[in-house]
Amino acid sequence: DTEVTQTPKHLVMGMTNKKSLKCEQHMGHRAMYWYKQKAKKPPELMFVYSYEKLSINESVPSRFSPECPNSSLLNLHLHALQPEDSALYLCASSQDLQNSYNEQFFGPGTRLTVL
Amino acid sequence: GNSVTQMEGPVTLSEEAFLTINCTYTATGYPSLFWYVQYPGEGLQLLLKATKADDKGSNKGFEATYRKETTSFHLEKGSVQVSDSAVYFCALLRAGQKLVFGQGTRLTINP
Repeated sequence: DTEVTQTPKHLVMGMTNKKSLKCEQHMGHRAMYWYKQKAKKPPELMFVYSYEKLSINESVPSRFSPECPNSSLLNLHLHALQPEDSALYLCASSQDLQNSYNEQFFGPGTRLTVL
Repeated sequence: GNSVTQMEGPVTLSEEAFLTINCTYTATGYPSLFWYVQYPGEGLQLLLKATKADDKGSNKGFEATYRKETTSFHLEKGSVQVSDSAVYFCALLRAGQKLVFGQGTRLTINP
């Protein structure tokens, strides 16, 4: 199984809502990532978890809160978002952070619209 | 710092044409190089990779060779199909660091 799954596929939320994005992989990978992708741009790294611990936070606003409950799951909790946060949110995983040849496997993404 | 530069798009070709998408990089040390493809409405898929100088990555008729002397990793395909229409991202990775993407090249193949 070389698949990263993400739910939901689409999400529309108001600025006062609280919602969560979910990501799952069963490849035994120990590094997991959240990216944000705006139209016609490459993905921008938000967070990296390594062995279930937050390793990198790319100065992301606190209205985005990541969580890694176990080695297969990654969540992104959303609260009080702004319309400019509307984007495609991609989850990815890789074997670990130790080697440069460990490619990242991406999920299909969640298309988020903030009204 | 590390960076990747791709040829500007969009690129439009006819079916069965030869494809080249240029990619050059700047990095210290010995990064691995990747090509990812993103079809409309989808996430990124790894197309091919190369982990050291002179390695050639290949998949689905696409090829790219890791050229350290020219710091390049150009993507080529001998005969493109309509189904190859997508956005292509060149990327590099050094151990313990974040994946660095080029700006992406949108490819459209006309029948």
